[in-house]
Amino acid sequence: AQSVTQLGSHVSVSEGALVLLRCNYSSSVPPYLFWYVQYPNQGLQLLLKYTTGATLVKGINGFEAEFKKSETSFHLTKPSAHMSDAAEYFCAVSIRDYKLSFGAGTTVTVRA
Amino acid sequence: GAGVSQTPSNKVTEKGKYVELRCDPISGHTALYWYRQSLGQGPEFLIYFQGTGAADDSGLPNDRFFAVRPEGSVSTLKIQRTERGDSAVYLCASSTDGNTEAFFGQGTRLTVV
Repeated sequence: AQSVTQLGSHVSVSEGALVLLRCNYSSSVPPYLFWYVQYPNQGLQLLLKYTTGATLVKGINGFEAEFKKSETSFHLTKPSAHMSDAAEYFCAVSIRDYKLSFGAGTTVTVRA
Repeated sequence: GAGVSQTPSNKVTEKGKYVELRCDPISGHTALYWYRQSLGQGPEFLIYFQGTGAADDSGLPNDRFFAVRPEGSVSTLKIQRTERGDSAVYLCASSTDGNTEAFFGQGTRLTVV
């Protein structure tokens, strides 16, 4: 079975500051890893995903994440936060099938 | 359609009643998924359809929950004898097949009073 732990249920950053959202996974086999974003009253949107190959993955809206097998981590970063980044972010894992296991989510607020 | 459509967007029902939640996937997508998101939690897998058949219903919490997809397109999640603990946002997603990106709908917020 696979699972995901997101460290920090709420993160507050200043506009222009670094955004860092932490995700650690547990999986008995090499996983596929995902970050989703959920804006208020909208559906989940895929930000980026890691399947195989390059461990640094670039996604939409300037986000990127790095798969670190030794640390079982897949942290999400963005160098400079924008007000529009305020949302809830979910890390998810799957073992090459259709079934995603999600973390509990991290709510990001951006201060002007 | 342009995206995954779920209706209704909100549903309030009394404890013990029966409810149906509808999902219209993206046209041509053979794979369809239902997830449930309780307050403060991430989405939890309920059931996966490939075409008309439920390929995996291991996430359905008990036999009060049932889902169908009779023509391989629209799906309905059915909940009998609703309980207050069933209150959650029910999310539907679809993908081209079971191995590609899943696109999520906006969800149906179910409140059982």
